[in-house]
Amino acid sequence: DIVMTQTPLSLSVTPGQPASISCKSSQSLLHSDGKTYLYWYLQKPGQSPQLLIYEVSSRFSGVPDRFSGSGSGTDFTLKISRVEAEDVGVYYCMQGIHLPPTFGQGTKLEIK
Amino acid sequence: EVQLVESGGGLVQPGRSLRLSCAASGFTFDDYAMHWVRQAPGKGLEWVSGISWNSGSIGYADSVKGRFTISRDNAKNSLYLQMNSLRAEDTALYYCAKAEGGVIANAGFDYWGQGTLVTVSS
Repeated sequence: DIVMTQTPLSLSVTPGQPASISCKSSQSLLHSDGKTYLYWYLQKPGQSPQLLIYEVSSRFSGVPDRFSGSGSGTDFTLKISRVEAEDVGVYYCMQGIHLPPTFGQGTKLEIK
Repeated sequence: EVQLVESGGGLVQPGRSLRLSCAASGFTFDDYAMHWVRQAPGKGLEWVSGISWNSGSIGYADSVKGRFTISRDNAKNSLYLQMNSLRAEDTALYYCAKAEGGVIANAGFDYWGQGTLVTVSS
């Protein structure tokens, strides 16, 4: 199975400041079709996960442009340009290139 | 609007069975693969099983292989998970998730239900 490793596991950020989460995979997520199957999800308190970013850097419908994704191969980053109070929760990266799909451990974002 | 509504969870004794259902609406159900993902209390996300649009391709996590069976009824826009020989470690919130495409690999999950809680305890 592909292992997804996130850092840091927790983050405390002042509103208006940036935040960054790293995700590393144990194998390349680049498929022969040219796509890289790396996803970012946010699970807000008491809610189900919601898709933020698909295929490394594409924002899902309705996701604010303060969220951005980057990376390639095995190293990926989620950035929030200016954190807002509504961004609190646990962020997960996930690989979808091989079965089983696997998730990172999660990064808990709190507001200072 | 895409909606996924899970049902069928509850308290069950170890060794017993339970069947989860997921009712889908707001999209063309038989165009997309569907998955079950679970989350143990206070823990992270774990993929359980997935099924392609036409049930031709199915996958299971090693932790549930041989005990759980995924199925779908495209005429009823419904996804199911038959869970047999339940163990304490199967206790979790079970989410139904829609895939981006029709196959179970090479895709992520774009919509999730609210989950149904399964508690395995004597």
